[in-house]
Amino acid sequence: DVVMTQSPLSLPVTLGQPASISCRSSQSLVHSDGNTYLNWFQQRPGQSPRRLINKVSNRESGVPDRFSGSGSGTDFTLKISRVEAEDVGVYYCMQIIHWPWTFGQGTKVEIK
Amino acid sequence: EVQLVDSGGGLVQPGGSLRLSCAASGFTFSTSLMGWVRQAPGKGLEWVAKINGDGSEKNYVDSVKGRFTISRDNARNSLYLQIDTLKAEDTAVYYCARGWAAAWGQGTLVTVSS
Repeated sequence: DVVMTQSPLSLPVTLGQPASISCRSSQSLVHSDGNTYLNWFQQRPGQSPRRLINKVSNRESGVPDRFSGSGSGTDFTLKISRVEAEDVGVYYCMQIIHWPWTFGQGTKVEIK
Repeated sequence: EVQLVDSGGGLVQPGGSLRLSCAASGFTFSTSLMGWVRQAPGKGLEWVAKINGDGSEKNYVDSVKGRFTISRDNARNSLYLQIDTLKAEDTAVYYCARGWAAAWGQGTLVTVSS
């Protein structure tokens, strides 16, 4: 199985400051169609997960532009340009190129 | 608006069975890949099964093969997960998800305990 490794696992952030989460995969996530199938999810406390970004960098409709995704091959990053109180939760990366689709362990973002 | 409503969870003894359901609306269900993702209490996310639009292709994570069966009824816009021979480690919130997890249900809790 493809192992997805996130860091850090815990991320205390000051309101208004940037945050960055790293995700590394044990195999390349580049498909033969040229796309890279790496998604990012946010799970707020007590809620279902919500997809923020698909295919590395495509923001979902309604997702604030302070969220951005980047990376290639096996190394990916989710950035929050200025953390707001509503961003508290756990963030997961997920690959959908190799079955079983696998998630990272999750990164808990909290306010300092 | 896309909506997924999960149901069917509950408290079951080890070795028992449950059938989870997901009622879908707001999109063309019959052409959508669907799946089930679970989350053990306080833990991360795990895809357990997926099924293509017409139900001809099904995939399972190794830990549930032979015990879980994913199915769908496109006439009823519904997705199902039959869970047999339940184990304590199957205790989790089970979410139905559309496609590459573009949309999620609210989840239904399965607790396996004697």
